[in-house]
Amino acid sequence: QSALTQPPSASGSPGQSVTISCTGTSNDVGGYDYVSWYQQHPGKAPKLVIYEVTKRPSGVPYRFSASKSGNTASLTVSRLQAEDEADYYCLSYIGGNSWVFGGGTKLTVL
Amino acid sequence: QLQLQESGPGLVKPSGTLSLTCSVSGGSVSSPSYFWGWIRQPPGKGLEWIGNIYFNGNTYYSPSLKSRVTVSVDTSKNQFSLKLSSLTAADTAVYYCARYSASYFESWGQGTLVTVSS
Repeated sequence: QSALTQPPSASGSPGQSVTISCTGTSNDVGGYDYVSWYQQHPGKAPKLVIYEVTKRPSGVPYRFSASKSGNTASLTVSRLQAEDEADYYCLSYIGGNSWVFGGGTKLTVL
Repeated sequence: QLQLQESGPGLVKPSGTLSLTCSVSGGSVSSPSYFWGWIRQPPGKGLEWIGNIYFNGNTYYSPSLKSRVTVSVDTSKNQFSLKLSSLTAADTAVYYCARYSASYFESWGQGTLVTVSS
């Protein structure tokens, strides 16, 4: 199972919105509503920001939203802030009690 | 508040076996509501799922690592463990333990760097 496809980098200015994609197949992203997103600052453990495609855990700002269309899931960060600069990873269930991560996207706040 | 802490050797030899333990506090590995998992991240690279274990001992492994991985749980110590054999330099990574709820990793340990080198 290959990693899900994410763009290596994304960027935006403070106050703008940025969308990060996560592309898989009908056997993973497209086949299940079990996509989650993780934010990772340098030297830190990943932190859950979205689960089950669109749900936001308690404490995650409303600026983080997500969706899915076909085999592609997307994470949108609105009203960008400096603290949003981090690596972002998607994770999808692939059946058989197995999971696969995306390759990761480095978000830069200009 | 749930806390997970990885522990184990930071340096292991090629062809050897990596052994890590995740100690859980503020929660129980015996809970039927969660799985417990291992994820790794080579330096400068992305995350890779290794495997999960349920409180009853049922295990689920990444197909690419399945032949070399063993995950176990010790309910008496409230810990779960990872063993990875036949190590090469490609196994050098930060290894994270995490609690898996329904369909996502909700809580993570801080991670521990394991270097494979002679």
